[in-house]
Amino acid sequence: DTAVSQTPKYLVTQMGNDKSIKCEQNLGHDTMYWYKQDSKKFLKIMFSYNNKELIINETVPNRFSPKSPDKAHLNLHINSLELGDSAVYFCASSQDPAGGNEQFFGPGTRLTVL
Amino acid sequence: QKEVEQNSGPLSVPEGAIASLNCTYSDRGSQSFFWYRQYSGKSPELIMFIYSNGDKEDGRFTAQLNKASQYVSLLIRDSQPSDSATYLCAVKRSGAGSYQLTFGKGTKLSVIP
Repeated sequence: DTAVSQTPKYLVTQMGNDKSIKCEQNLGHDTMYWYKQDSKKFLKIMFSYNNKELIINETVPNRFSPKSPDKAHLNLHINSLELGDSAVYFCASSQDPAGGNEQFFGPGTRLTVL
Repeated sequence: QKEVEQNSGPLSVPEGAIASLNCTYSDRGSQSFFWYRQYSGKSPELIMFIYSNGDKEDGRFTAQLNKASQYVSLLIRDSQPSDSATYLCAVKRSGAGSYQLTFGKGTKLSVIP
């Protein structure tokens, strides 16, 4: 069974559109994350939720809005998509945000904005 | 600004050799150190973590940490072509209020058969 899953795997869309990416983990973890990996492979944290509460909110345009309906799900909605939003977006989860626990990554969503 | 620096490579080593990957970090409050491997088009996967100064060995992999020098490294012995990937160093503070992993830009390793 997939531990951290994301949908869709690929997303191609026009500038100005609004899109969502969904993430689910079946590991029973308390904490979930969204990362953005750009074309140079730099992996940067965007958001983190612990038990549905936002604990990390990096400097990200407010066009990006995360939502956690429960601790097993963390979705990312992006409004008014721009060319620079093209990247691979990874969801991850871990048991404890403050400890040294491993983060498990989903397969990624490759977003292409045309 | 908390930073994690890695040589982007590519680092090329012949099959069977030792590959040495290096990472330096700027935040002296960092307590946990991780090495992730990322194959092209795939997601990162954890291969090693280290918390204490010194060496930690796991099979062909050895992580080395020197907190005084703010330096962490990963040695891969008997390198195999299947080790060809990008290796991401990540560091983390621990304790309340310190939740995030900070990643380096990764070192691309190529093991030549």
